[in-house]
Amino acid sequence: DTAVSQTPKYLVTQMGNDKSIKCEQNLGHDTMYWYKQDSKKFLKIMFSYNNKELIINETVPNRFSPKSPDKAHLNLHINSLELGDSAVYFCASSKSTGNNQPQHFGDGTRLSIL
Amino acid sequence: AQTVTQSQPEMSVQEAETVTLSCTYDTSENNYYLFWYKQPPSRQMILVIRQEAYKQQNATENRFSVNFQKAAKSFSLKISDSQLGDTAMYFCAFMTHSGGSNYKLTFGKGTLLTVNP
Repeated sequence: DTAVSQTPKYLVTQMGNDKSIKCEQNLGHDTMYWYKQDSKKFLKIMFSYNNKELIINETVPNRFSPKSPDKAHLNLHINSLELGDSAVYFCASSKSTGNNQPQHFGDGTRLSIL
Repeated sequence: AQTVTQSQPEMSVQEAETVTLSCTYDTSENNYYLFWYKQPPSRQMILVIRQEAYKQQNATENRFSVNFQKAAKSFSLKISDSQLGDTAMYFCAFMTHSGGSNYKLTFGKGTLLTVNP
């Protein structure tokens, strides 16, 4: 009965590879997000989708491409991985885009680039 | 720019005692929402409490309460009767406007709280 689930939980790969992280929510929410947490634990939003449409894109390199096949899923594909991409990536969802809507987070995916 | 500042990188408290984590923010908006999230060693991000800026009454959730001072733009978290399971990184977050009707969470850098037996 997990609300926001991400796969995989851990991802170790070589520099230059392409990888994807999947996210699914079963809360019936309309809005989903991707956050990056760096090695100093700082959390920053990357993207947000509302009903499958991109609404927030926070100056993220073009190598990162989110895709939302339906409003319950938001996947993150990363091309040509670099050392600086090593981080924990969190998916989150909220009922809508309003400023009173709490966001529910997945357990995170730790991406390590060798 | 709207920012969130947590001035205490680390804090510790004895079990059963009370601890207060500080948070200040900067905004020109009048109606907004503030949140505290907890991240234990398991890495999950757990919503602890939220406060609506137009409500003068401070939010409470069991042992967790906030001291919200709108004029001072301060939003501190008080944990009473601290328990070992409260050991975690605590993030203050502010819902900031991101164009149109869209909002995003802006986080502080976090306070690592250790509860000692």
